[in-house]
Amino acid sequence: SAVISQKPSRDICQRGTSLTIQCQVDSQVTMMFWYRQQPGQSLTLIATANQGSEATYESGFVIDKFPISRPNLTFSTLTVSNMSPEDSSIYLCSAGQGSSYGYTFGSGTRLTVV
Amino acid sequence: QKEVEQDPGPLSVPEGAIVSLNCTYSNSAFQYFMWYRQYSRKGPELLMYTYSSGNKEDGRFTAQVDKSSKYISLFIRDSQPSDSATYLCAMRGRYNTDKLIFGTGTRLQVFP
Repeated sequence: SAVISQKPSRDICQRGTSLTIQCQVDSQVTMMFWYRQQPGQSLTLIATANQGSEATYESGFVIDKFPISRPNLTFSTLTVSNMSPEDSSIYLCSAGQGSSYGYTFGSGTRLTVV
Repeated sequence: QKEVEQDPGPLSVPEGAIVSLNCTYSNSAFQYFMWYRQYSRKGPELLMYTYSSGNKEDGRFTAQVDKSSKYISLFIRDSQPSDSATYLCAMRGRYNTDKLIFGTGTRLQVFP
């Protein structure tokens, strides 16, 4: 299965600023996703990162707030824009082949907005 | 009602015990069922996956799916302190593009 490197692993940011999270996969993958995980809650899918085209966002998430890039089959970025304390969470990248039953996750980015 | 329900625990058991972790779901379209293990400050790690109903065994782990009851289970035999983690169930429909729906996770602690 694919190995995912995600960075930064953690950050403390000022409100109103933006943070870009990077996700690098060690092999070409068909599917890449971005999730948010808040304490005591399940993983929430933010969007599916599509290679060479705009990401597909889930209900409640918009491109202006969470712009996503996926320039190739091994790399994606998620930007959390104009941050507020409510954006404090763990952000996770996930990837795999379209035929996979499950997907690999990165170690996550623990974001605190102050 | 959430699509996937999972008891958050915590569940505390002695080393060597048999652990049973469970999820219920409401969407009859789910066809693929997975269990992830997540250690503190790490991303989820895929443990097992099952298609449709039935059992699947891998070492000390057994996954069961009962689609008629919309109920899935993960059994851990001879539990070890290293099994202490949060276990998340996840499931999706028949298409590879269907998104995974996760339970909230059950926190398990195995004490020596």
